[in-house]
Amino acid sequence: GAVVSQHPSWVICKSGTSVKIECRSLDFQATTMFWYRQFPKQSLMLMATSNEGSKATYEQGVEKDKFLINHASLTLSTLTVTSAHPEDSSFYICSARVRAGGILTDTQYFGPGTRLTVL
Amino acid sequence: GENVEQHPSTLSVQEGDSAVIKCTYSDSASNYFPWYKQELGKRPQLIIDIRSNVGEKKDQRIAVTLNKTAKHFSLHITETQPEDSAVYFCAATWRTGANSKLTFGKGITLSVRP
Repeated sequence: GAVVSQHPSWVICKSGTSVKIECRSLDFQATTMFWYRQFPKQSLMLMATSNEGSKATYEQGVEKDKFLINHASLTLSTLTVTSAHPEDSSFYICSARVRAGGILTDTQYFGPGTRLTVL
Repeated sequence: GENVEQHPSTLSVQEGDSAVIKCTYSDSASNYFPWYKQELGKRPQLIIDIRSNVGEKKDQRIAVTLNKTAKHFSLHITETQPEDSAVYFCAATWRTGANSKLTFGKGITLSVRP
């Protein structure tokens, strides 16, 4: 159980275009999902917390108008990188908190990531 | 907020030897400490975790120990195999109200020499 998928696995786009990345929980309902960014040989940096049915909470320094997050259902959160530029090129990974016995735990399972390259 | 330090950045061991990776954290209120393994270009995989009410947890060749007083926790891998080679991240929970977030260390690259 606790499988998280992401789509697409990689995307190449031109500078100035927008890209949407989907994160799905396949076998459980995810009321809380997270979006991370990871640059080569670096750690995971939390971008935002996505709660179903409410606005996302962004970390300091992350532009909410540039990285649009929508969590419209219990199994889907989307991240849209608007007006992408080469410096936005990175590995974007989502994760979801899982429930055990009906209780939301601290445990996070990660999606496979999306490699974004902006030309 | 929470600050998680992970040292060293690289570790090389001979196949069959043990590997120990240590992390320290700053927030004494943190109560959940997972370890993730990430192979190149792939997702971080949860390999073991520990809560603050437990001092040690073991799962086959992998164990985690927690010292709340000193605010450090360690990953122990015994009988290392080449497939254990990967980047290992430790993390600690940071709570803001009802929300729970993970703060990650910088990661350590483990190389197991055959």
